[in-house]
Amino acid sequence: KQEVTQIPAALSVPEGENLVLNCSFTDSAIYNLQWFRQDPGKGLTSLLLIQSSQREQTSGRLNASLDKSSGRSTLYIAASQPGDSATYLCAVSVIRGNQFYFGTGTSLTVIP
Amino acid sequence: DTGVSQDPRHKITKRGQNVTFRCDPISEHNRLYWYRQTLGQGPEFLTYFQNEAQLEKSRLLSDRFSAERPKGSFSTLEIQRTEQGDSAMYLCASSRGRLDVNEKLFFGSGTQLSVL
Repeated sequence: KQEVTQIPAALSVPEGENLVLNCSFTDSAIYNLQWFRQDPGKGLTSLLLIQSSQREQTSGRLNASLDKSSGRSTLYIAASQPGDSATYLCAVSVIRGNQFYFGTGTSLTVIP
Repeated sequence: DTGVSQDPRHKITKRGQNVTFRCDPISEHNRLYWYRQTLGQGPEFLTYFQNEAQLEKSRLLSDRFSAERPKGSFSTLEIQRTEQGDSAMYLCASSRGRLDVNEKLFFGSGTQLSVL
């Protein structure tokens, strides 16, 4: 069974700082990997999706990288803002169209 | 896209009662997923549909849980004889399936279930 781990569980940074969130998975035979954002009591919003054949994806201040062979992905957030405060989750799918396996998330607080 | 809609947003029930949740996926999305999330945890897969066919169910989905997707449009998740351990956020997600090589997931806002 695929297991997804996210470190750290919580992170607090001052506004303007660049930061990196980590995600690791046990089975490198993935179809794709998605990073999500979740605000308290809300559903998940997709941020970036990386196919298994890709190395990275970028959207605005966000950059996600994938090293499939080592079972790792990172989410880089540049120039953090208080509005970035949320829980960030990564999820991997092993077979196209099948279930995604989620990590437990990193709770990010950006201090003004 | 109007997004994935879930109803109700909150449900409080007494132990032993039956509850039903509804999910309306994004139109033209043929895949629909149900997940369950408890506080401080990531979502756990429950089941998914390709059109009206239920293709996979998690071992977490006990006999008290049943999901349907008639006509391949909206879906319902019913929990019979609720237990306190069923208290969680129930999330629905949809994707375009084979129409989208990326298989990007879109989530609804969830239904928060509290079993007293």
